[in-house]
Parts: sequence; C-alpha cells; structure tokens
Amino acid sequence: GPKVLQIPSHQIIDMGQMVTLNCDPVSNHLYFYWYKQILGQQMEFLVNFYNGKVMEKSKLFKDQFSVERPDGSYFTLKIQPTALEDSAVYFCASSSTGANSDYTFGSGTRLLVI
Amino acid sequence: GDSVTQTEGLVTVTEGLPVKLNCTYQTTYLTIAFFWYVQYLNEAPQVLLKSSTDNKRTEHQGFHATLHKSSSSFHLQKSSAQLSDSALYYCAFNTGKLTFGDGTVLTVKP
Repeated sequence: GPKVLQIPSHQIIDMGQMVTLNCDPVSNHLYFYWYKQILGQQMEFLVNFYNGKVMEKSKLFKDQFSVERPDGSYFTLKIQPTALEDSAVYFCASSSTGANSDYTFGSGTRLLVI
Repeated sequence: GDSVTQTEGLVTVTEGLPVKLNCTYQTTYLTIAFFWYVQYLNEAPQVLLKSSTDNKRTEHQGFHATLHKSSSSFHLQKSSAQLSDSALYYCAFNTGKLTFGDGTVLTVKP
C-alpha cells in the first residue's frame, strides 16, 4: 500500500545543534502529523498540520520545535536547539481526512541527542 | 480529557490459545473512530482494526473487536494466537488527532 517515507532513519546530534527530520507523506493525503515515542513508552502526539498551518499542538511541542511543508517538498520537523530529552523515535503520519480516518505512519527517525 | 486505557502492559500467551487485550476509553466526543494499531519491532505502527459503529464486530487477520459505547470499551481478541502475532498493540481513537493508549506488548510463545 501507500507509504510514508522518513529521512533519515537514524540521526545522532550534539546537544544544542539543530536537526531537521524529513517526511514524505502519502501523495494524496492532506493532513500531516508528528508523534514522539521514547523507548518503551507510548506514542505521544506532537502536532498536526493542514493547509499549510498547524492545527493543534501538544505540550510536548516546545518552542524549539517547528514544522512546515513548502509546496511539493517534505513535511519537516525542525528542532533548534536540541536537548538531551529530545532523544526519541519521531514518527510522521499522514491521512486523507482529519477525524475518523486512519493514519499511515512512516518507519520513524531515531534521534539521539548526545 | 480524552484518554485511552490499556490495563496490561505485557501479555504472554501460548501459541494456539485465545488472547484478549483490554481497551477502555474516556471522551466527550459522540461519534469518533476507534482503532487497534500493531507495531512490529523497528517498524511503523499500522492499522489492524477500525470501528465507529456501536455493538458491531469488526474482524481482520483473525483478530476481532467490538465497540461498546455503553461500557466505553474496544477490546481486541483472537481465538488462536500465532507466534507472528508477537508485537506491540495500541488502542486509539481519532478526534482530529489520534490518541493512543500506553500499548500492550503481546508475546506468543511456543
């Protein structure tokens, strides 16, 4: 079936540096999401994005986080500056509609901040 | 606020025996979709089951679940567990964003 691609699959970065996580969503999907999963813990919602705008963000979506999707390009999550507690797996997802639709998730980017 | 509760963090079952993973929820939304996602090691979560209809059984890949709004539950069951069912299972609902439970690790042993 259709897939969500996430690049890179792994990233190691020094604390304080900037990192950009890239997501190529399913081509006809209009809604995009980022989730954070710390090892052994649950999937936690960060943000959703539609029509070029953030629709909702959680308390985990700190001021250091930003998202965008310039036309025809990746849906990105940028963290600047990174902190040790940002180490986690970040999953991108997309859906064709908002409520009541299921999401297609990517395989995640494993971010390690050292 | 909205929440999903999965009471078991870890379930171990012998191959061929039935398995049940519990899911209850709390939400003020009246008509929303409920899901079971399965996540295999180092892979993306993927939809296993979906339902938004009260008291209707939904089945896929041998698993089944029935949404019961009267008890706010959406338990996942299978009559005969397979070794390949070993994975992390999430119950979730969609209110414009997916809200996940803590997940249940299912281990099926020979």
